[in-house]
Amino acid sequence: EPEVTQTPSHQVTQMGQEVILRCVPISNHLYFYWYRQILGQKVEFLVSFYNNEISEKSEIFDDQFSVERPDGSNFTLKIRSTKLEDSAMYFCASSERSGYQPQHFGDGTRLSIL
Amino acid sequence: ELKVEQNPLFLSMQEGKNYTIYCNYSTTSDRLYWYRQDPGKSLESLFVLLSNGAVKQEGRLMASLDTKARLSTLHITAAVHDLSATYFCAVDNPYNFNKFYFGSGTKLNVKP
Repeated sequence: EPEVTQTPSHQVTQMGQEVILRCVPISNHLYFYWYRQILGQKVEFLVSFYNNEISEKSEIFDDQFSVERPDGSNFTLKIRSTKLEDSAMYFCASSERSGYQPQHFGDGTRLSIL
Repeated sequence: ELKVEQNPLFLSMQEGKNYTIYCNYSTTSDRLYWYRQDPGKSLESLFVLLSNGAVKQEGRLMASLDTKARLSTLHITAAVHDLSATYFCAVDNPYNFNKFYFGSGTKLNVKP
């Protein structure tokens, strides 16, 4: 069964450094998402992306965050200057269309900011 | 802001017992999703409920949706240890399909 793949599985970064999290969504999916989950807490929406532009973003997704689809397969989340509170599990998800379908999640990238 | 509340947050039960997890949400929506998450793992889609009165069953789990009450339930029948996980419900934004709102999750521990 096709799946969403994320790399790396674990990223350790010094505070203030830039980090890029990578995702390969399911190939025929058109909608892409990033969520984060702080340890032990619920999953929070960050951003959705369709047709090469952001569809919606949350309050968490401030100017330090950006997303990009640099080619036909990858979908990236960049954090420009990481803070301690950015430490979380980041999940990429994709769906074939918007609404009425589950979003399919990758295994996540655990981001640890030191 | 759409709110999704689950209860209980923690559930410890013996094998063989039945229990129900509840998911309430704050706005009109006819689309609700249940996910399972094992520790350190991703979210696995369990059920997609797309209309009032929808009922889906898979093994020992059954999910239902009452859009008028803004309530979904996940019923566990004769629990087994393998069902131990955290269960999340999620709701679409009814005006913008582009994001899910997740509940806080119910951590289920089934004791042998």
